[in-house]
Amino acid sequence: AQSVTQLGSHVSVSEGALVLLRCNYSSSVPPYLFWYVQYPNQGLQLLLKYTSAATLVKGINGFEAEFKKSETSFHLTKPSAHMSDAAEYFCAVSAENTPLVFGKGTRLSVIA
Amino acid sequence: GAVVSQHPSWVICKSGTSVKIECRSLDFQATTMFWYRQFPKQSLMLMATSNEGSKATYEQGVEKDKFLINHASLTLSTLTVTSAHPEDSSFYICSAVMREGTTDTQYFGPGTRLTVL
Repeated sequence: AQSVTQLGSHVSVSEGALVLLRCNYSSSVPPYLFWYVQYPNQGLQLLLKYTSAATLVKGINGFEAEFKKSETSFHLTKPSAHMSDAAEYFCAVSAENTPLVFGKGTRLSVIA
Repeated sequence: GAVVSQHPSWVICKSGTSVKIECRSLDFQATTMFWYRQFPKQSLMLMATSNEGSKATYEQGVEKDKFLINHASLTLSTLTVTSAHPEDSSFYICSAVMREGTTDTQYFGPGTRLTVL
């Protein structure tokens, strides 16, 4: 069985500050890990994914995430927050031929 | 990137009627699509797995006679909410699986807002 825990249902940062959204996973097999972003009343957009290649994954919009097996973590970061980054972020885990299991989401607010 | 569309983007219907939602992969073929339901300020709940040419696999607690899924081609899956009631009002999102190298990635549609009066 797989599961994802996103620490913090709501994160608020100032514009230009570091963004850190935390995600820890549980998986009995090598996981595939994903971060998606959802803007209000829209579907999910893939930010980045880890699929057992490089542990530091770079995604769109300046986001990146690092897979740390020892910590079972896949935290999402961005050096400098922009107002347009305000959205809901979902971490998800899957394995070969299994559906995605989503975390509960973290709402990111960016303060001017 | 891979594009997935949904139609309609929103629909309002009367209680007791049926509503069909389409999910299309526009620039790739998808043998597998997923249907999710999302309540306000909550995460996505997987409803069913739609496989081209075979019956859908429903998650526990999801009524298969209530939510009919048809995956008639490699680019189209449909979800029909039969005899809709107000409690079926929700945001329905589909995703299509694209094989990229040795891994599968889900690409999501923009969602369909269903309101049942």
